[in-house]
Amino acid sequence: EIVMTQSPATLSVSPGERATLSCRASQSVRSNLAWYQQKPGQAPRLLIYDASVRAIGIPVRFSGSGSGTEFTLTISGLQSEDHAQYFCQQYQQRHPSTFGQGTKVEI
Amino acid sequence: QVQLVQSGGEVKKPGASVKVSCKASGYTFSNYGISWVRQAPGQGLEWMGSISPYHVDTTYAQKFQDRVTMTTDKSTSTAYMELTTLRSDDTAVYYCARGGSTWYAYWGQGTLVTVSS
Repeated sequence: EIVMTQSPATLSVSPGERATLSCRASQSVRSNLAWYQQKPGQAPRLLIYDASVRAIGIPVRFSGSGSGTEFTLTISGLQSEDHAQYFCQQYQQRHPSTFGQGTKVEI
Repeated sequence: QVQLVQSGGEVKKPGASVKVSCKASGYTFSNYGISWVRQAPGQGLEWMGSISPYHVDTTYAQKFQDRVTMTTDKSTSTAYMELTTLRSDDTAVYYCARGGSTWYAYWGQGTLVTVSS
């Protein structure tokens, strides 16, 4: 099973600043990585897939980069509604697909 | 628009079983798999398995292999996930999501299953 490790666990950022979230895979997942945003009481929302492709309707301030074992989600010009938990997911190894433990972004 | 609507919350005693439904609309049900992901209180996301409605193939995470059954009813575009021999640590929100082992653009609203004596 591929283990996904996210850092930091919590990130405090002021409005308008940039947030940089990291996700590391225990072995290469190539570009088979997605990022999700989850707010309390809601289902996860897909932000990025294939490491860097924004999902439909996702603002351009969200961007993804990386390949292999190191990935980054960048939120530029943080807004108050970006307060949420963020998860990465690998789907290179499909059975099972695995998620990181999450990064909480506090504003 | 694509929608996945799940059944309501359940309270079960240890050792019981639970069956959660996920009714799909807004797309051709047979063209996409359905996966199940759970989230224990305050915890991360855990992939449980997936089913392909077209081929009726199922793949389960090893952790749940002996206790989970995923099925579909193509006539009603509904997917089901049954988990048996429930334990307290099965207390979680259970989500269905459109797709096999890939990224998930569409999710159900979640079903809280509480296991308590």
